[in-house]
Amino acid sequence: DQQVKQNSPSLSVQEGRISILNCDYTNSMFDYFLWYKKYPAEGPTFLISISSIKDKNEDGRFTVFLNKSAKHLSLHIVPSQPGDSAVYFCAASGASGSRLTFGEGTQLTVNP
Amino acid sequence: SAVISQKPSRDICQRGTSLTIQCQVDSQVTMMFWYRQQPGQSLTLIATANQGSEATYESGFVIDKFPISRPNLTFSTLTVSNMSPEDSSIYLCSVTPSETQYFGPGTRLLVL
Repeated sequence: DQQVKQNSPSLSVQEGRISILNCDYTNSMFDYFLWYKKYPAEGPTFLISISSIKDKNEDGRFTVFLNKSAKHLSLHIVPSQPGDSAVYFCAASGASGSRLTFGEGTQLTVNP
Repeated sequence: SAVISQKPSRDICQRGTSLTIQCQVDSQVTMMFWYRQQPGQSLTLIATANQGSEATYESGFVIDKFPISRPNLTFSTLTVSNMSPEDSSIYLCSVTPSETQYFGPGTRLLVL
């Protein structure tokens, strides 16, 4: 049972444009959501998070949107840069600081 | 945040042998987590390790195969026992010093 799903295994965008990565979840007990970026041969790097009491959180070029009724969240990166090319994972937990359930990841490629 | 180191960073092992992976954190943390990322797949939680108590294993993972030690609040080890090629993965430890979970750089294991 895949409780967190990222349906797009890959995404390619032009430098300067917006990247939108999507994530769906099925467990209504999830209360805290995070996005991580991962380069090959490195551990995941935390990007941004959002709790279920909010519908938007912004940090620089990164914005996460949460639609609780649809059980859907998305990560917007604008403007996209070639250095953003990596695998992006969304993750969810029942509370902040507790065990995480990860999606399958989306490979983002930003072309110069 | 937290600074996390893992040893070894990578290893190539023969089937039937065991490998112990170390995780060191620069601050005291209550909960430490061990994840696995098999090739081309997402991150899967192996177990949660709290200092002073037995580790809690996720479905599909057992203590005999993945014994864990947590001798203090800054250190943990994960042993991959009686290895087979299916154990070839990246093994990651993570901690939650705050609301956010931070990951170590990972240990890349190849079993021949």
